[in-house]
Amino acid sequence: DSGVTQTPKHLITATGQRVTLRCSPRSGDLSVYWYQQSLDQGLQFLIQYYNGEERAKGNILERFSAQQFPDLHSELNLSSLELGDSALYFCASSVVPGTEKLFFGSGTQLSVL
Amino acid sequence: GENVEQHPSTLSVQEGDSAVIKCTYSDSASNYFPWYKQELGKGPQLIIDIRSNVGEKKDQRIAVTLNKTAKHFSLHITETQPEDSAVYFCAASWGGADGLTFGKGTHLIIQP
Repeated sequence: DSGVTQTPKHLITATGQRVTLRCSPRSGDLSVYWYQQSLDQGLQFLIQYYNGEERAKGNILERFSAQQFPDLHSELNLSSLELGDSALYFCASSVVPGTEKLFFGSGTQLSVL
Repeated sequence: GENVEQHPSTLSVQEGDSAVIKCTYSDSASNYFPWYKQELGKGPQLIIDIRSNVGEKKDQRIAVTLNKTAKHFSLHITETQPEDSAVYFCAASWGGADGLTFGKGTHLIIQP
């Protein structure tokens, strides 16, 4: 168990809908990362937060947004969902940003039908 | 930005044999190289990492080597066991806020 908690484990929804994925980092970790994993693209970095502030953006679509709350949990919001958004979404945390070990949650499997 | 290439995409070895997975990176500023193991239905788990000031690191049956000049690093697993079957990802980072850039993964299959 990595100590990173993600909910829900599975999410099935329809095109055009909006969903929220939740992540609680390991105790003491201030930095949260979101990754998207699909079969053809591997693990793609989406966005990173450190102590409530956005620090870096990767290949995140404009339809997607995230935030980190004062208690350090984070939410990833996906809207106007398309079939191609179906993927595994992982949250990871680390003590601080940079060259530190990342600890991954078990992911949320999103299926858009 | 950083680009990490990983080979092979699938590797099948006999139980007890060794397995080697190779990665190359593009950004010479990268200085941290972890390896993750992902089992079915689980998130990636860090198994070993190496920093650029070290050429080799070993932890029981797994080892990682780094060649900074050639910009490649490898994962070596000796005496493979059935529980080593998983997808393995290499990654690289230069310490920037965008964290790790991952390779596309290697599906390691241990044949009994």
